[in-house]
Amino acid sequence: DLVMTQSPDSLAVSLGERATINCKSSQSVLYSSNNKNYLAWYQQKPGQPPKLLIYWASTRESGVPDRFSGSVSGTDFTLTISSLQAEDVAVYYCQQYYTTPYTFGQGTKLELK
Amino acid sequence: QVQLVQSGAEVKKPGASVKVSCKASGYSFTSYYIHWVRQAPGQGLEWVGIINPGSGSTTYAQKFQGRVTMTRDTSTSTIYMDLSSLRFEDTAVYYCAREAPMGAFDYWGQGTLVTVSS
Repeated sequence: DLVMTQSPDSLAVSLGERATINCKSSQSVLYSSNNKNYLAWYQQKPGQPPKLLIYWASTRESGVPDRFSGSVSGTDFTLTISSLQAEDVAVYYCQQYYTTPYTFGQGTKLELK
Repeated sequence: QVQLVQSGAEVKKPGASVKVSCKASGYSFTSYYIHWVRQAPGQGLEWVGIINPGSGSTTYAQKFQGRVTMTRDTSTSTIYMDLSSLRFEDTAVYYCAREAPMGAFDYWGQGTLVTVSS
């Protein structure tokens, strides 16, 4: 199975500061036919289902604030929140949907400092 | 608006089976794959499997092969996930999620807590 490894496991950031979460896939999730990385980022708050933030590694889902951005370098993926807001406190997961079984990272818990 | 509404919480004994439902509305039911993802208490997300509501074809994670069955009822736009031979470690919230055209999961059900307890 394709393994997704996130870092760090937890992160404390002050309001207005930048938060960066990393995700590494054990193999490429790039489809050569369309040059898209099949990697998504989700946000999950307590008692709620996950919410899609980013797909194709860097495309924001409709309605997601532009302080959320995704980037990629090979098999290394990054989710950046440019200016942390209180409502961004949550657990964040990366997910590859390149091949079944679709696998998730272990999650990164983002807290306020 | 798109909605996935799941059935209520279940408590089962080890060895029993559970059937969780996911009723879709607000879109063309047969046009979007549905996935099941589970989350044990305090843990991360684990993919269980996928069903094509149009054809009924399924793919399951190897871990659940032989114990999970996903079906659909097109007359009621409902997806079902049946998990048998339940173990304590199957205690989790089970989510259904719709696969968007680009492949990620754009809509999720509210989750169904399945508790396996003697």
